[in-house]
Amino acid sequence: AQRVTQPEKLLSVFKGAPVELKCNYSYSGSPELFWYVQYSRQRLQLLLRHISRESIKGFTADLNKGETSFHLKKPFAQEEDSAMYYCALLTDSWGKLQFGAGTQVVVTP
Amino acid sequence: DVKVTQSSRYLVKRTGEKVFLECVQDMDHENMFWYRQDPGLGLRLIYFSYDVKMKEKGDIPEGYSVSREKKERFSLILESASTNQTSMYLCASSGGRGGYNEQFFGPGTRLTVL
Repeated sequence: AQRVTQPEKLLSVFKGAPVELKCNYSYSGSPELFWYVQYSRQRLQLLLRHISRESIKGFTADLNKGETSFHLKKPFAQEEDSAMYYCALLTDSWGKLQFGAGTQVVVTP
Repeated sequence: DVKVTQSSRYLVKRTGEKVFLECVQDMDHENMFWYRQDPGLGLRLIYFSYDVKMKEKGDIPEGYSVSREKKERFSLILESASTNQTSMYLCASSGGRGGYNEQFFGPGTRLTVL
């Protein structure tokens, strides 16, 4: 079965501290994974996708097929990183996504 | 700039009412999606459409139907609203056929069913 698990509902970190959001997936094929972000009062938007291997707003995410994980990391959290983050898995050729439950990140000064 | 708009930001309806949620995109996208967003459950796909008049059930289609008469518009219909359909509803669109194309989301409609 296809599944995306985000074990942390809430992550509270201090400004300047590292932050890591966990994402584990279950998928029988070759996975394609994404992180979406929703800032307060804004629309949900794509943050990054694993195949692009980019660093967006200081965030990186590495696909680990052995551990079936796609954790999102940032070495130094900023207050503007406070948001809801969703991990998502591409589930078919039409572009449908399976989303995780989401992790709320709160960065305090 | 991709624009996905939803007809209402907030909606309050009574149990048993028929409810229409409208979504319009202006980028000539082939694919459109309806999700509901609930705390602790994330986004769950209700229906999606890959072409005009085409629709496919998502993970939680029960109690919902959809209509796509024009490419730019995708409507979600609650035939008889119930309190367990109180939720945030998000519409999204993406272009292209096959594989992943970035989904662009609307601002959401917060529906309360009393």
